Amino acid sequence: DVQMTQSPSSLSASVGDRVTITCQASQDISDFLIWYQHKSGRAPKLLVYEASHLETGVPSRFSGSGSGTNFTLTITGVQPEDFAIYYCQQYDQYPLTFGQGARLDI
Amino acid sequence: QVQLVESGGGVVQPGRSLRLSCAASGFTFTTSVMHWVRQAPGKGLEWVAVISHDGRHKDYADSVKGRFTVARDDSKTLVSLQMTGLTIEDTAIYFCARVSPEQQSVLDHWGQGTLVTVSS
Repeated sequence: DVQMTQSPSSLSASVGDRVTITCQASQDISDFLIWYQHKSGRAPKLLVYEASHLETGVPSRFSGSGSGTNFTLTITGVQPEDFAIYYCQQYDQYPLTFGQGARLDI
Repeated sequence: QVQLVESGGGVVQPGRSLRLSCAASGFTFTTSVMHWVRQAPGKGLEWVAVISHDGRHKDYADSVKGRFTVARDDSKTLVSLQMTGLTIEDTAIYFCARVSPEQQSVLDHWGQGTLVTVSS
């Protein structure tokens, strides 16, 4: 199985800050990498697919980059509604595997 | 718009069975691959199962293989997860998710989940 490791596991930011979350795969997954945002009690929301492609309707302050084994999610100008948990997930092979999550707090 | 609504969760004793359902609407269900993903309390997301658009192909996480069965009913636009031999480790919120019709294997819409608690 492909192991996905996120860092940091939690981070604090203020509105307007630029934050970066990283995700490392245990093997080469090309660009088969997704980022989700999850708020408690709600459905996870797709932000980025194919490592860098923004899902329709997702604000442009979100961006993804990387390929192979190292990936990054960046939020440029954090907004109050962005405080949530962020997960990466690989879809290069089954079983689909997720990172452990990164909690973004105020 | 795309809607996925899970149901069937509850409290169940270890060793017992439970069947979850996911009602889908707002998209062409018959051409959609569907997944189940779960989140144990205080933990991250864990992929559980997938069923192909025609129901012929299914795959499971090792942790549930042989105990869980995924199925679909296209006439009711429902996907189900039959869970048997439940253990405390199966306690989780269970989400169903749809694969994007444009991006293979990308889960683009999820339900809000249904909570399964396995406890004696």
